[in-house]
Amino acid sequence: AQSVAQPEDQVNVAEGNPLTVKCTYSVSGNPYLFWYVQYPNRGLQFLLKYITGDNLVKGSYGFEAEFNKSQTSFHLKKPSALVSDSALYFCAVRAPTDSWGKLQFGAGTQVVVTP
Amino acid sequence: DGGITQSPKYLFRKEGQNVTLSCEQNLNHDAMYWYRQDPGQGLRLIYYSQIVNDFQKGDIAEGYSVSREKKESFPLTVTSAQKNPTAFYLCASSIGTSERETQYFGPGTRLLVL
Repeated sequence: AQSVAQPEDQVNVAEGNPLTVKCTYSVSGNPYLFWYVQYPNRGLQFLLKYITGDNLVKGSYGFEAEFNKSQTSFHLKKPSALVSDSALYFCAVRAPTDSWGKLQFGAGTQVVVTP
Repeated sequence: DGGITQSPKYLFRKEGQNVTLSCEQNLNHDAMYWYRQDPGQGLRLIYYSQIVNDFQKGDIAEGYSVSREKKESFPLTVTSAQKNPTAFYLCASSIGTSERETQYFGPGTRLLVL
């Protein structure tokens, strides 16, 4: 069975500084990895996904993520954080072995960007 | 959130009452999903449907029921058997159920127990 871990409940960063949100996964076979963002009392918004190919994936709002197979990680990054990036971030994984592609979510990481 | 609507935004349930949450999508997606979100637990899958008139239980289906009579609609009923229904409920859809497909989410319904 696949699983995903987000080791930090909260990440605090000053505006303009680099932002990193960590994600590690466990899955049989090649993983399919996703990042979503959730603002208060809203649904999840899709940021980016890794299917195959380049290990560096670029997504919406200036975010990118780096797939590292040897470390089984898929960390989300942004070079310069904005106050508006303050939100809850979810990493999710799918295993190619599931017939219908179940999406397994991490517990989420709260990002707080201070002015 | 575009393309997927959920209603109501807030819903109050009395003890012993069944309530139904609405989910509609105009994306022409075949697959639809219901998730439950509790603080600090991420999202957990309740039910999913790959096609009209077909649906399958997810990880926490007990106390819930669904129907999929139309491609664009996937309502969720929270029955009186669900003893702890207070949560944020999210509906999602995707073109298909391939592992490559992205799931897109609606704005959510917050269910509270009176």
